[in-house]
Amino acid sequence: GAGVSQTPSNKVTEKGKYVELRCDPISGHTALYWYRQSLGQGPEFLIYFQGTGAADDSGLPNDRFFAVRPEGSVSTLKIQRTERGDSAVYLCASSLSSHNEQFFGPGTRLTVL
Amino acid sequence: AQSVTQLGSHVSVSEGALVLLRCNYSSSVPPYLFWYVQYPNQGLQLLLKYTTGATLVKGINGFEAEFKKSETSFHLTKPSAHMSDAAEYFCAVSNNNNDMRFGAGTRLTVKP
Repeated sequence: GAGVSQTPSNKVTEKGKYVELRCDPISGHTALYWYRQSLGQGPEFLIYFQGTGAADDSGLPNDRFFAVRPEGSVSTLKIQRTERGDSAVYLCASSLSSHNEQFFGPGTRLTVL
Repeated sequence: AQSVTQLGSHVSVSEGALVLLRCNYSSSVPPYLFWYVQYPNQGLQLLLKYTTGATLVKGINGFEAEFKKSETSFHLTKPSAHMSDAAEYFCAVSNNNNDMRFGAGTRLTVKP
């Protein structure tokens, strides 16, 4: 499996619950990105990691959203007190380093009831 | 701030016909420009990108795009559509390849 993988592929939760979405980047890729794609829209940038640190988190919509990458590989996007408006496909991408081509995973479809 | 406008949320062409998907961008600095394709239930795949140099960029699957600074455009073309080209296409702009802004997408349908 050489590509970016994301788990789960689908997540259904209730309003107010906490969810975690996982991204496994391509081995050796130091840069990792999270995007959100709402129905009928293009991907919207959320956050970018270079190594373990968040180099740019300007796209996170509010403080309910948080992401970590503690060992510079796997990343987890965490959403607290989910709202129906959070329903979307969450995409992860990785690249060899910044300024290189981003490779996208298949996404996690989050549905908040 | 950068942004992208894709003209036409849906484009339909006949097999063998020219494909033209329009993209206009806004950027305060020289942009990096990208086209991605998304097939159903698959991740985004890079078709081509412009960073610097030659303004006509060739990508995979016979697609190409031309960066026109005077028109702030980066339209995607393919001389002859194939049934397998049916997908969603996204144009994106970045000022440093880290923070990409995507357009809303254009769904391409290819009729037999």
